[in-house]
Amino acid sequence: DQQVKQNSPSLSVQEGRISILNCDYTNSMFDYFLWYKKYPAEGPTFLISISSIKDKNEDGRFTVFLNKSAKHLSLHIVPSQPGDSAVYFCAASGSSNTGKLIFGQGTTLQVKP
Amino acid sequence: GAVVSQHPSWVICKSGTSVKIECRSLDFQATTMFWYRQFPKQSLMLMATSNEGSKATYEQGVEKDKFLINHASLTLSTLTVTSAHPEDSSFYICSARDGRGAEETQYFGPGTRLLVL
Repeated sequence: DQQVKQNSPSLSVQEGRISILNCDYTNSMFDYFLWYKKYPAEGPTFLISISSIKDKNEDGRFTVFLNKSAKHLSLHIVPSQPGDSAVYFCAASGSSNTGKLIFGQGTTLQVKP
Repeated sequence: GAVVSQHPSWVICKSGTSVKIECRSLDFQATTMFWYRQFPKQSLMLMATSNEGSKATYEQGVEKDKFLINHASLTLSTLTVTSAHPEDSSFYICSARDGRGAEETQYFGPGTRLLVL
């Protein structure tokens, strides 16, 4: 049972344009969501997070939107840069305070110069 | 801040040997660390939760006698793959939970590539 889903395995955008990565979840107990960026053979790098009490969080070029009613979150990268090319994982955790993260399958973003 | 290191970064071993991987939080104390495994082109799979001073909590399907976890201090957790076999070859990543902020975030180490021959 995949509780966190990233339905698009890959995304290709032109440099300077907006990249939108999507993530859906099924567990309504999730209350904290994170986005990580990962290069091959490296550990994930934390990008941005959002609590369920918010619907938007912005950090520089990265903005995460949360739609609780739709159980959907998205990561917007504007403007996209070639260095953003990587695999992006969304992750969710619940209010049980165990800290366990449930990861989506990842979306490979390619930003073309 | 929030830097997590892993050692070694890669290891090649013979079948039947044991391999120890260290995970350290360098600039914060982590009462909880997590161990993940990633197969090629797949997501990160949580193996176990490592709690300082207590036994690790393993996810369903993960053999606790196969993957020994020790969290002896607030900055160090170790994963030992015992009697490793080729099917244990994988990318192992640890993370540490930084509870200093209002919202806790996990920070990941760089990963350890294990190849069992």
